[in-house]
Amino acid sequence: QVHLVESGGALVKPGGSLRLSCAASGFPFSDYYMIWIRQAPGKGLEWVSYISGSDALTNYAHSVQGRFSVSRDNAKNSLYLQMKSLRVDDTATYYCARSVWGTPPDFWGQGTLVTVSP
Amino acid sequence: QSALTQPRSVSGSPGQSVTISCTGTSSDVGGYNYVSWYQQHPGKAPKLVISDVNTRPSGVSNRFSGSKSGNTASLTISGLQVEDEADYYCCSYAGTSTSVLFGGGTTLTVL
Repeated sequence: QVHLVESGGALVKPGGSLRLSCAASGFPFSDYYMIWIRQAPGKGLEWVSYISGSDALTNYAHSVQGRFSVSRDNAKNSLYLQMKSLRVDDTATYYCARSVWGTPPDFWGQGTLVTVSP
Repeated sequence: QSALTQPRSVSGSPGQSVTISCTGTSSDVGGYNYVSWYQQHPGKAPKLVISDVNTRPSGVSNRFSGSKSGNTASLTISGLQVEDEADYYCCSYAGTSTSVLFGGGTTLTVL
């Protein structure tokens, strides 16, 4: 069955960098868009970024544009989110999720916590 | 784009029905039949309960149903059970530049 496992979350200082990973299994990874979504503590869900199956298309929320970069390695069934210039308000649980053509996702990982604090 | 609008909270008694609304614009909810609903229990990842406005994924109870009229989508949960108590989020496709928008979430309390 579909399985998504995020990793890489950590405590980091403002201005720091972090790379999140998402290992996918149970489906033809390259056939699907993948999406990063985050949820600040006690808050709602926020779309962060998407990448098409061939990785030709990417896009970002205004709040992370220019600081975050999404990529994928279809040979390794893996998705990545490189985060730079992290700010306190980037603190959140980050989820990777599977999407058909960028539409609302159907399967989600369990999330990985990123904490940005001095 | 702004988040979709949901009521902050709804409540109902076991056995009753509740409906949660999700209001957007013609650029998202009203423009596409790609509205999904997610159930999230505390400390857990969101789980899909309705996709494409009114499609129930395999394994989801038929007590969950979805609909859409104009720029507003709705999730109805009938025959409320204690385990339905959770946060519910709507999500709509909003075009290639934005991808998806989420509602602010609704807390369902089963009294």
